[in-house]
Amino acid sequence: KNQVEQSPQSLIILEGKNCTLQCNYTVSPFSNLRWYKQDTGRGPVSLTIMTFSENTKSNGRYTATLDADTKQSSLHITASQLSDSASYICVVTNLEGGGADGLTFGKGTHLIIQP
Amino acid sequence: DAGVIQSPRHEVTEMGQEVTLRCKPISGHDYLFWYRQTMMRGLELLIYFNNNVPIDDSGMPEDRFSAKMPNASFSTLKIQPSEPRDSAVYFCASRDWDRVTGELFFGEGSRLTVL
Repeated sequence: KNQVEQSPQSLIILEGKNCTLQCNYTVSPFSNLRWYKQDTGRGPVSLTIMTFSENTKSNGRYTATLDADTKQSSLHITASQLSDSASYICVVTNLEGGGADGLTFGKGTHLIIQP
Repeated sequence: DAGVIQSPRHEVTEMGQEVTLRCKPISGHDYLFWYRQTMMRGLELLIYFNNNVPIDDSGMPEDRFSAKMPNASFSTLKIQPSEPRDSAVYFCASRDWDRVTGELFFGEGSRLTVL
């Protein structure tokens, strides 16, 4: 069964600190993995996409990594800001599609940045 | 483009009443998705359309839920009769033709409370 597990479920850190969010998946065959950011009361917005051949990709203070062998991805946030407070959702695409249009969603990590 | 537009943003209704949620996708997008989000279960796919045709409705909880897409620029999700357990945030999302790497663009969501 295709599954995406995210950890931690929630995280509180002080402004200016770094943090790392984890995403483990069992989706097969793997096509790509996206990280979405969801601000409170808003819809999710894509931060980055990782394909099979990519190990690391940066988007400003956000750096995503992918280890296709161990089926793990991480999202590292550097020098956190109050605006980083949000839920971060990991979504994995199954190359063969199928139900749910081949997308498997994690339940997200709820990140709170304290001043 | 203004993005995916959903209405209403908030809906409070009493058990047994009919609820209709509306969505206008991004112009030119071939796919439209309806998701439900709760704290316990995260984002769950209810149904999706390709070129206005329903492709997979296996996520629709029961016959009380129905969705239509009469044209490329409009879709509705209807719940009749509504029940308290339907309380959640309902998101509409659209995507272009790229089924594999295409990004989901979400609306702001409709928060439904059934008393």
